[in-house]
Amino acid sequence: AQSVTQPDIHITVSEGASLELRCNYSYGATPYLFWYVQSPGQGLQLLLKYFSGDTLVQGIKGFEAEFKRSQSSFNLRKPSVHWSDAAEYFCAVDAIGSARQLTFGSGTQLTVLP
Amino acid sequence: SQTIHQWPATLVQPVGSPLSLECTVEGTSNPNLYWYRQAAGRGLQLLFYSVGIGQISSEVPQNLSASRPQDRQFILSSKKLLLSDSGFYLCASQGRASNEQFFGPGTRLTVL
Repeated sequence: AQSVTQPDIHITVSEGASLELRCNYSYGATPYLFWYVQSPGQGLQLLLKYFSGDTLVQGIKGFEAEFKRSQSSFNLRKPSVHWSDAAEYFCAVDAIGSARQLTFGSGTQLTVLP
Repeated sequence: SQTIHQWPATLVQPVGSPLSLECTVEGTSNPNLYWYRQAAGRGLQLLFYSVGIGQISSEVPQNLSASRPQDRQFILSSKKLLLSDSGFYLCASQGRASNEQFFGPGTRLTVL
């Protein structure tokens, strides 16, 4: 069965600083990969996704992620963080099974300092 | 894109009382539907998924059940709530031709 690891439970950065959130997955083949963001008390919003092709994908809100097959990683980056980026971020894997189930990481809580 | 509606937004229930959370979907037909639970400070746990009307699969043994009486309606229920049922419940939908799951706004359930 596939698994997703987000090793950083909580990250704090200053506004304007760069950001990288880590995500590693375990799966026999290349799955579909996603990053979602969740503001407090809200549902999840899709930031970006990777299915195939260019390994650097661009998403909404200035986020990007790079798929590295050799490292089984799909890290999320943003060059300059805004205070409104404070939220919880989830990496997810779709093993492309018949029911299209997502496996989520445990999430990374991002705090942005003024 | 799809729109997912969930209600109620918040719910406080006593232990032993019944539960019914509703999810409806707009913008797609015959989607896969999902119920997730998010406990405080933890990730999302898939509870149930459905690939069609009346077809429910359970991912974990638990005190809850799910039903899909209509194509775009997904209901999460319990006959008797436990304290451990507290959490944030999210409904999600994925269209047949889509590679993305869309999420509803969630229901915050507190069992006292």
